[in-house]
Amino acid sequence: AQSVTQLDSHVSVSEGTPVLLRCNYSSSYSPSLFWYVQHPNKGLQLLLKYTSAATLVKGINGFEAEFKKSETSFHLTKPSAHMSDAAEYFCVVSDPHTDKLIFGTGTRLQVFP
Amino acid sequence: GAGVSQSPRYKVAKRGQDVALRCDPISGHVSLFWYQQALGQGPEFLTYFQNEAQLDKSGLPSDRFFAERPEGSVSTLKIQRTQQEDSAVYLCASSPTTWAQETQYFGPGTRLLVL
Repeated sequence: AQSVTQLDSHVSVSEGTPVLLRCNYSSSYSPSLFWYVQHPNKGLQLLLKYTSAATLVKGINGFEAEFKKSETSFHLTKPSAHMSDAAEYFCVVSDPHTDKLIFGTGTRLQVFP
Repeated sequence: GAGVSQSPRYKVAKRGQDVALRCDPISGHVSLFWYQQALGQGPEFLTYFQNEAQLDKSGLPSDRFFAERPEGSVSTLKIQRTQQEDSAVYLCASSPTTWAQETQYFGPGTRLLVL
């Protein structure tokens, strides 16, 4: 069975400092992994996805994530946080048999000026 | 182009009422998913359509929940005899293929409050 664990429910950073949101996955198969962002009262937006090509995946708004099979991790990073990055972030794995997405519990990112 | 739209955006229902939530996917998208997001939680899968066929309804929490997509485009999620525990945001997503690696595009959700 597929699952993801987001290790931090809340992360707070100052504007201009690096962001690290941690995610570990469990999968019986080569996983498809995603990061989605959810701003208040807005729909979920895809940041990036890993589909067994390059292990370092670049997404929108300067975010990137690295797939590490040995550590079963898919952490999300950004070199310099912006105020507009404040939102809820979800690490997601796709079930290869049913195509449904399995979401983590989310990490709320706060960015202070 | 137009994204996934959902209506109504907000719905308040009295316990025991029936509600119907509508999803308009991106035109031409084959796959359509419904998810339920409780307050402070990540979305959880409810059901999946490939065109008009409902291939997976394993996430529907009870037989009070029913979904349909009769012509392979618009979908409706119906909840009968609503209960307070049904209060949540209901998200619809569509994707252009049936490929598991495909991006799912989400609508803004319908926030249901059952009093």
